Amino acid sequence: GAGVSQSPRYKVAKRGQDVALRCDPISGHVSLFWYQQALGQGPEFLTYFQNEAQLDKSGLPSDRFFAERPEGSVSTLKIQRTQQEDSAVYLCASSLVPGQGVYEQYFGPGTRLTVT
Amino acid sequence: GQQLNQSPQSMFIQEGEDVSMNCTSSSIFNTWLWYKQDPGEGPVLLIALYKAGELTSNGRLTAQFGITRKDSFLNISASIPSDVGIYFCAGRTGGSGNTGKLIFGQGTTLQVKP
Repeated sequence: GAGVSQSPRYKVAKRGQDVALRCDPISGHVSLFWYQQALGQGPEFLTYFQNEAQLDKSGLPSDRFFAERPEGSVSTLKIQRTQQEDSAVYLCASSLVPGQGVYEQYFGPGTRLTVT
Repeated sequence: GQQLNQSPQSMFIQEGEDVSMNCTSSSIFNTWLWYKQDPGEGPVLLIALYKAGELTSNGRLTAQFGITRKDSFLNISASIPSDVGIYFCAGRTGGSGNTGKLIFGQGTTLQVKP
């Protein structure tokens, strides 16, 4: 079946622009995670949704970052007034059940954001 | 943010050699995972470990959950060219209310000597 998809795959933004990154999780997956991966580093947690509820946003680096999942399926990560330090790959992952358990997270291909 | 200590950072190997990498943490985890990431792609799960002391294999890959719950090891036997890539360990803490978010290591880049 279809995996996690993300769009766009690549995004170039001028500093100060707003961007919106989309994630389509695997159908029926309750949990959805966003991670940020800087060049040469491992992914770092940004935020977590269980259905439409955002239960953990402790990893969002500033109030310029905002995520939503209004109908419990597709999610959008929005970054306002982008800065150069926002340049990274943004990964989305989904899993069948909330949080714990043997149903692990499946990752999308990521969106590479470059802020110039 | 918090990351796990993963070593080595990179390694060159001859085809057919065995490979070992490890991951350590100052915190206790109740789940250890190993992922592989190819250029331009997201991480793909290789092995998941759920109990301290557990040893699990997936083909030529073998991973162990350390008994202290603060470390994990991944071994690849008889490496082949398609093993090239970046390997990440990831840990997850337990407890009620935990969302299941993963904490990743910095990655081990595996390259095969020509």
